Amino acid sequence: QKEVEQNSGPLSVPEGAIASLNCTYSDRGSQSFFWYRQYSGKSPELIMSIYSNGDKEDGRFTAQLNKASQYVSLLIRDSQPSDSATYLCAVNSNQAGTALIFGKGTTLSVSS
Amino acid sequence: EPEVTQTPSHQVTQMGQEVILRCVPISNHLYFYWYRQILGQKVEFLVSFYNNEISEKSEIFDDQFSVERPDGSNFTLKIRSTKLEDSAMYFCASYRDALGEQFFGPGTRLTVL
Repeated sequence: QKEVEQNSGPLSVPEGAIASLNCTYSDRGSQSFFWYRQYSGKSPELIMSIYSNGDKEDGRFTAQLNKASQYVSLLIRDSQPSDSATYLCAVNSNQAGTALIFGKGTTLSVSS
Repeated sequence: EPEVTQTPSHQVTQMGQEVILRCVPISNHLYFYWYRQILGQKVEFLVSFYNNEISEKSEIFDDQFSVERPDGSNFTLKIRSTKLEDSAMYFCASYRDALGEQFFGPGTRLTVL
């Protein structure tokens, strides 16, 4: 059974701080990794994708991947109250298909 | 920017009734998906569809579920005889290429009474 694990939180950070979100996955054959943001009652919104070991930066967001440790993380710099949401880690094992396996998500709360 | 659209936004039905949830994927996308999210739980994969056939399905996607692409734009999920436990948000998603970045529609909230 392929699993994606995340701390449910809530993770509370003050405005302007760095928020660090973590995710581990069980399928060593996983190839593609995604971070989605989900506001309450809304659909998942793609923030970042990462496919190779190392860091990938996009604006205030940095995704980090370590396949040896089966670990993905998302850093949000200069956190804003509008970043308050649930962040979903999703993994795709291309060897098994294209379906995304989601973690339960980490709830982030940014206080002003 | 193109978006995935879904209708209706909210569907209320009686247990045992059939429902059809509709999606219009992004126009040049080739892979289509249905996911569901029971309140307070994680997003779960139901089925993927490519080249006019199911390419993958989960254990949740049993005989009461079916999918169809009746024309060049719509993608539907049918639940033949709804159960209370089918109450959830149903999301359609699509993507175009091997990058696998899936884009989600706004969802349909299904309430089974």
